Amino acid sequence: QSVLTQPPSASGTPGQRVTISCSGSSSNIGTNYVYWYQQLPGTAPKLLIYRNNQRPSGVPDRFSGSKSGTSASLAISGLRSEDEADYYCAAWDDSLSGHVFGTGTKVTVL
Amino acid sequence: EVQLLESGGGLVQPGGSLRLSCAASGFTFSSFAMNWVRQAPGKGLEWVSVISDSGGNTYYAASVKGRFTISRDNSQNTLYLQMNSLRADDTAVYYCAKGGSTVYNWFDPWGQGTLVTVSS
Repeated sequence: QSVLTQPPSASGTPGQRVTISCSGSSSNIGTNYVYWYQQLPGTAPKLLIYRNNQRPSGVPDRFSGSKSGTSASLAISGLRSEDEADYYCAAWDDSLSGHVFGTGTKVTVL
Repeated sequence: EVQLLESGGGLVQPGGSLRLSCAASGFTFSSFAMNWVRQAPGKGLEWVSVISDSGGNTYYAASVKGRFTISRDNSQNTLYLQMNSLRADDTAVYYCAKGGSTVYNWFDPWGQGTLVTVSS
């Protein structure tokens, strides 16, 4: 059972901006860093954002992360067909003493 | 280049046991925490367990605590997951993922995964 809540789906046309929300609590997002992962169909997940808003080398600057209170967001600007994937937020949870993932959001490029 | 290669998956009966391995290369294995994450067919990601760089600290998801044991052999650059009392809802692709200098850090990169099927 996922502790972090995301919308099940999001969509946009090429070039549009899409935002995915991630809602948590004071024991996870409220006090710890948020991470975002991208999972392309049939592949292993890949780190997209770390420490709330940092991009690993190789991740396009079209992807950006933010955090406010007990919620976080991932924005994809200039949407491209290759962005069609599942996206997951994650954080350490102090109460559970473990990592927790979001429910996942499927992004569709129309 | 960092590489993680899982092995040991397969078909096992309910109540049975299985040990997964993750062979690591391309980085100083003993300096990083390591994780197991699983994904049931058609479902989302579920974190399973993390072990600190030295192996001295381990944490588990409530769903596997008491049944699964994470361990590592830093001399062999290998991560393990011993799974006992397996249930049908343990059926999933199991990924190993490199952590950071602490158990709280992000997962990067991930292995390709190994499928565990629990069925009679």
